[in-house]
Amino acid sequence: DAGITQSPRHKVTETGTPVTLRCHQTENHRYMYWYRQDPGHGLRLIHYSYGVKDTDKGEVSDGYSVSRSKTEDFLLTLESATSSQTSVYFCAISASSGIDEQFFGPGTRLTVL
Amino acid sequence: GDSVTQMEGPVTLSEEAFLTINCTYTATGYPSLFWYVQYPGEGLQLLLKATKADDKGSNKGFEATYRKETTSFHLEKGSVQVSDSAVYFCALSPPRSNYKLTFGKGTLLTVNP
Repeated sequence: DAGITQSPRHKVTETGTPVTLRCHQTENHRYMYWYRQDPGHGLRLIHYSYGVKDTDKGEVSDGYSVSRSKTEDFLLTLESATSSQTSVYFCAISASSGIDEQFFGPGTRLTVL
Repeated sequence: GDSVTQMEGPVTLSEEAFLTINCTYTATGYPSLFWYVQYPGEGLQLLLKATKADDKGSNKGFEATYRKETTSFHLEKGSVQVSDSAVYFCALSPPRSNYKLTFGKGTLLTVNP
């Protein structure tokens, strides 16, 4: 299994509070991605990184920010959580080519009350 | 923009039945195509992939052929098992996209003994 972990695995928070999710990899892969999974929508890309300090937006980036100060860590921050951000969040990593697979973490279930 | 459409679920089959899950795509250029599988409570894992027209991806008895003329990548298995019960996602990665994946909405497969 690819060395990719996510923390926390479960979190319940209240509307308006900041939340940070962490993705950690031990594979030294260049690319890292954050997705959210919601019923009826599949997985949608929030943000991704193509190197240290190099990030870009995905299709559902509003309300989220990311940072990558080290190859191994990719942080997703909800500056002020809303109930619409209740979801399961997956981190993924990829080596250096689109024909290489993305490896997915176990997911973080976030509930915003 | 790029998109993936896969058949609505849920799909319920008896053990040893034949499985087809349809997937069609819209993309510019020649994307790479993937099928991912998600078992209950887990992250996604790659099932198979194809990178150019007429390629056939295969793994664990599952197969899919990249059909450029019909923009399709249908997933098939000749004899399903109870252990195949999962959610299946079709996805594409366009060329020059920083290797981002666009997913279909997923198809839940339940196999009964």
